[in-house]
Amino acid sequence: QQPVQSPQAVILREGEDAVINCSSSKALYSVHWYRQKHGEAPIFLMILLKGGEQKGHDKISASFNEKKQQSSLYLTASQLSYSGTYFCGTVTQGGSEKLVFGKGTKLTVNP
Amino acid sequence: EAQVTQNPRYLITVTGKKLTVTCSQNMNHEYMSWYRQDPGLGLRQIYYSMNVEVTDKGDVPEGYKVSRKEKRNFPLILESPSPNQTSLYFCASAPRDRIGDTQYFGPGTRLTVL
Repeated sequence: QQPVQSPQAVILREGEDAVINCSSSKALYSVHWYRQKHGEAPIFLMILLKGGEQKGHDKISASFNEKKQQSSLYLTASQLSYSGTYFCGTVTQGGSEKLVFGKGTKLTVNP
Repeated sequence: EAQVTQNPRYLITVTGKKLTVTCSQNMNHEYMSWYRQDPGLGLRQIYYSMNVEVTDKGDVPEGYKVSRKEKRNFPLILESPSPNQTSLYFCASAPRDRIGDTQYFGPGTRLTVL
């Protein structure tokens, strides 16, 4: 089951904040966040694991509500380089190692 | 340099002509995976492998085959390509045999099937 991301797109001015949400209908083992520039490979941002463990970049923050099967990515004081499409990926509990990505959120940061 | 490489980067072929897209990683990673990316659909997992000789289907495996005979290589095989397999393909690898870790993506292979 593909996770649902919201919003689908967001436009910011440099320095503004944004929140990108990811929700699943199934119990999750982990949530993964990636950023992709047009035509390039996705780049790892963060992983949030069941139980509270997190791995990721210092300048990126995210939350994982296990009970609600939801995660949010927080982009603060946005920079032009933050522009791109953000994908969340989820691994559900139950033993499968399938990673299912959402359709993405397109973020545009303008000067 | 630690990296995931894919070849070819661009390929135009015709319906029914078998092709292989190679993927190789030099990081001694256990986990490898193939994704396809289509506009508006995001990244969809085709196959994944948790270790040598261990492969499993992702969400869209129809029309694809994979093999994992060596740890570093994970080729994607299209036995009889069709136009609906025109897409951007990414290979990825991760350090451990569980998906609770960072995935490193290759540069992508843009495939067009006429």
